[in-house]
Amino acid sequence: DTGVSQDPRHKITKRGQNVTFRCDPISEHNRLYWYRQTLGQGPEFLTYFQNEAQLEKSRLLSDRFSAERPKGSFSTLEIQRTEQGDSAMYLCASSQGAGGPDGIQYFGAGTRLSVL
Amino acid sequence: AQSVSQHNHHVILSEAASLELGCNYSYGGTVNLFWYVQYPGQHLQLLLKYFSGDPLVKGIKGFEAEFIKSKFSFNLRKPSVQWSDTAEYFCAVNARGNEKLTFGTGTRLTIIP
Repeated sequence: DTGVSQDPRHKITKRGQNVTFRCDPISEHNRLYWYRQTLGQGPEFLTYFQNEAQLEKSRLLSDRFSAERPKGSFSTLEIQRTEQGDSAMYLCASSQGAGGPDGIQYFGAGTRLSVL
Repeated sequence: AQSVSQHNHHVILSEAASLELGCNYSYGGTVNLFWYVQYPGQHLQLLLKYFSGDPLVKGIKGFEAEFIKSKFSFNLRKPSVQWSDTAEYFCAVNARGNEKLTFGTGTRLTIIP
């Protein structure tokens, strides 16, 4: 499968614990995005990378959240000291970027986080 | 800041009925427009997109959408729906040159056989 891959698919954690999610984009896509989706809402933008550079961060991304893309390939999203309000679906997407042929973001299946 | 409104939260139709889902956006500049679909248990998939040119765009599975700039709208249509169209539909927009996609809250479409 050559789509966007996310791991794990579901994570259950206790409040106060740290969690880390991984995203593997479509190969050769230089842009990678993180979104969060809560029940009854559309995805909300969190941050995006062009290669290894993090170019934009939403105000939704509090200090407890950190994202990395160290080698410009896969990315990780870490949430420290999780809170019940962090419970959501975390979506990753990738694209070839504005300079590419289509600029379309392709989404993974997401990681569903449940904070107890 | 841009925003997207989808006024229909849940639409229920019988098979073969015609469909129109509303989408309005708020942004003063040039935009790219998208409809994504999420079938039950599956990930978001692109249905169609508008970047420039002909404002009537055709997507997969018989869907089409029309960009009306004066109304800031990008409504999704299908002349005859099928049971397999049951899904959640999201309208999204990004400002030209800005990577951030802004989504509407989605419309849940239920097709009754």
